[in-house]
Amino acid sequence: DAKTTQPPSMDCAEGRAANLPCNHSTISGNEYVYWYRQIHSQGPQYIIHGLKNNETNEMASLIITEDRKSSTLILPHATLRDTAVYYCIVRPYSGAGSYQLTFGKGTKLSVIP
Amino acid sequence: KAGVTQTPRYLIKTRGQQVTLSCSPISGHRSVSWYQQTPGQGLQFLFEYFSETQRNKGNFPGRFSGRQFSNSRSEMNVSTLELGDSALYLCASRPTGTSGGAADTQYFGPGTRLTVL
Repeated sequence: DAKTTQPPSMDCAEGRAANLPCNHSTISGNEYVYWYRQIHSQGPQYIIHGLKNNETNEMASLIITEDRKSSTLILPHATLRDTAVYYCIVRPYSGAGSYQLTFGKGTKLSVIP
Repeated sequence: KAGVTQTPRYLIKTRGQQVTLSCSPISGHRSVSWYQQTPGQGLQFLFEYFSETQRNKGNFPGRFSGRQFSNSRSEMNVSTLELGDSALYLCASRPTGTSGGAADTQYFGPGTRLTVL
């Protein structure tokens, strides 16, 4: 799986957009970008995933650069409940094969009142 | 749909004992994976089960084992507990019936917090 690089921590003012970057310069053409977050001592929560195109769901937007070497997760209006560690994971589609997620250290997002 | 459930949520054991943790995946999900999370090592993959067969295993000693039942529910067992086994144990399931990125989206349970004294 491609290696990802994320800043260790970020702050965001409540109500503002939180933009979390992820660098994955060695990504292959068949690898997806996944974002998860983990609120303290809870199980990781799936946020969004994408392959080439930008994606949006009720939680966030995912912007993937045209060369796919980096991406940004956008939380449009951050709330205190968005304070969490955010993980960017890149992996190929497993098909019928075995599967595992490899988590890095992620970005600790602190939403400030 | 109900999410992934794990029981018990908290557990305290002493060194040398063994423990069994249980996981019920999201209805219709046939793949179940287990992860260990510690402050020092972060989230680490333990194993994946699909259709009652272990398909993948992480770098953990043989004291860590698991199984999956015909209804996709899974258990993991840790024998001869050590202090270092104190961790949050997470179970996750995924919808293998679909394809592409959606099929590789894992949904995690709340975890079982194991403390070994």
